[in-house]
Amino acid sequence: QVQLQESGPGLVKPSQTLSLTCTVSGDSISRGAYYWTWLRQHPGKGLEWIGYIFYNGITHYNPSLKSRLSLSLDMSKNQFSLRLSSVTAADTAIYYCARDNSGPIDSWGQGTLVIVSS
Amino acid sequence: ETVLTQSPATLSLSPGERATLSCRASQSIGSYLAWYQQKPGQAPSLLIYDASNRAAGIAARFSGSGSGTDFTLTISSLEPEDFAVYYCQQRSNWPLTFGGGTKVEIK
Repeated sequence: QVQLQESGPGLVKPSQTLSLTCTVSGDSISRGAYYWTWLRQHPGKGLEWIGYIFYNGITHYNPSLKSRLSLSLDMSKNQFSLRLSSVTAADTAIYYCARDNSGPIDSWGQGTLVIVSS
Repeated sequence: ETVLTQSPATLSLSPGERATLSCRASQSIGSYLAWYQQKPGQAPSLLIYDASNRAAGIAARFSGSGSGTDFTLTISSLEPEDFAVYYCQQRSNWPLTFGGGTKVEIK
């Protein structure tokens, strides 16, 4: 049973960079079977797909975030990471890492709340 | 971007009743639609993929149907644990998008 766990600062100042890491257990990113994905949910709102990274480093980003977004992998630690630059209050959300099984997202982390505030 | 519109926004029903949730896409997405359930304080969990396939471990009372632009999630007889928010999601077009959700609440 795969498990995903987000980690990172819960508070980020405006204009700074939001950085989160997802640690995967129970599966190996290097197996190449899934797309390792980030999503977010603004408080009390719906879900937004941020992007994914494949085991070979290929990425696909939401165009609305593409200019500020970078996803990366650390296969030695079985982790993948998100960096979102120039954050504003509009980036305050619960951030989820997840496993995309070629479309359906079949495993999710518990989510981590990131607040953008000075 | 493909917009998914879910209706109704809120569904007030009693345990044992049938729930019918709708998801309409702004353009054809074939059968590339999934449904998720989200309970308060939890991450969403996959119920249905490719419009009508139940995910592993999902109870038979959950069923999905539809293709093209109109999709339905049906819960045949609501159990107490089914009261939650349900989201649809399409994977036909980039970026992946979600509907705004339907809250199924206890009447």
